[in-house]
Order: sequence, then C-alpha cells, then structure tokens
Amino acid sequence: GAVVSQHPSRVICKSGTSVKIECRSLDFQATTMFWYRQFPKQSLMLMATSNEGSKATYEQGVEKDKFLINHASLTLSTLTVTSAHPEDSSFYICSASRGAGTEAFFGQGTRLTVV
Amino acid sequence: GIQVEQSPPDLILQEGANSTLRCNFSDSVNNLQWFHQNPWGQLINLFYIPSGTKQNGRLSATTVATERYSLLYISSSQTTDSGVYFCAVTGGSYIPTFGRGTSLIVHP
Repeated sequence: GAVVSQHPSRVICKSGTSVKIECRSLDFQATTMFWYRQFPKQSLMLMATSNEGSKATYEQGVEKDKFLINHASLTLSTLTVTSAHPEDSSFYICSASRGAGTEAFFGQGTRLTVV
Repeated sequence: GIQVEQSPPDLILQEGANSTLRCNFSDSVNNLQWFHQNPWGQLINLFYIPSGTKQNGRLSATTVATERYSLLYISSSQTTDSGVYFCAVTGGSYIPTFGRGTSLIVHP
C-alpha cells in the first residue's frame, strides 16, 4: 500500500503564533495533495488542493494568507497556520495521490489546539 | 458540485451481525473510495471502487456507476469495526467530495 505520514499528530500553541504541519508521502510520488479540516462529529471539509510546483488552490471561504500551503517536492506538502486563534483549533488531515482523480491516501491527522 | 449522500447516518449492531451502508451520488464519477475513520481520527482506505465489485475479507463493496450508488457490506461485524465510514467521490473537477458518513457502533 501507499503510506502518508503527517506530523505532528498533536500540537498546542499560543494565540498569535504560527504552526507548521507536514504531510509526506513515504513510498510514492504525490503530484496532488489535499488539506482538510474536520470538526467534531462532522465530515471532512476540503481546504485546498496542492499540486507539486504550483500554487495551491483554495476552497471558497478559506483564507490563503492564514493557511499557507507549500508543495515544494513530490513527497512533501506543508500547511502553516499563521497567527493562530482559538477558533483555528481543529483536526487537520492531509491526503496524497499519484495524480488527479486517482486513489487518495490519508495521513494520521493533526489535532491543533490554540490556547 | 457533486452531492454525496450516505445512509444510514447512525447504525448500532450486535457483534456478529451483517450490515449494508449506502452511498448515493448526484453525477458521474471517475473515482469512488470507502474509508473507515477509527476513534483516533485515522482514515483507513477500504476500497477504491469507481465501478464493479471488490471483496476484502469480511468487507465487500459494489458500485453501480450508471445508477450512481455504491454499497459497502460488512459481514460478521466485530467491535473493532466501530467508527465512521465515509464515501468520497471525484468527478470531472477531480475535487474529492465526502459524504457525511455513517457512524457505526458494534456492541460485544
């Protein structure tokens, strides 16, 4: 199978600071990565689509200056939550696929708590 | 965009029982996946099944693309099957759309 590693799994930060979350495809090259946010008892909400070497495409309502996404290589994408506020506390999950429309594999998720 | 509806929203079973989860979608798709989200939040790939039938142990899935639905069958359920089952589809835009999930509790 394909393995996607997301780090950290859990992070607590102070309001106003920035947090970086990494998503790595360990045994395949991921041309496309997706970042999701999940609230308790709800489904996954797509935040942005990240294609290697190009700017991320953000979903409507997602602030691109607040949620910085970088997909600098075929195995790594990062999500940086800038100037974090308590309302940014959530479960963030990444997925990676070899190409658009192909099978997607998910990381373990990151539980962010902003205090 | 594509609408995805999953049913039932909640399901409670006794260990050993069988169940069927359904995923309806509103448009043609080029990708359909079933996932199991465990209590720790990890999404586990169950099936990549844009069409046809697949089986993996006690689980099997069937997608009838022409009628725009997919079914996930769980036989002889175990407590470790508990969690949320999601269906996700991708259409022409290649943007994945998730259903709201089916929350399954299996009692010993």
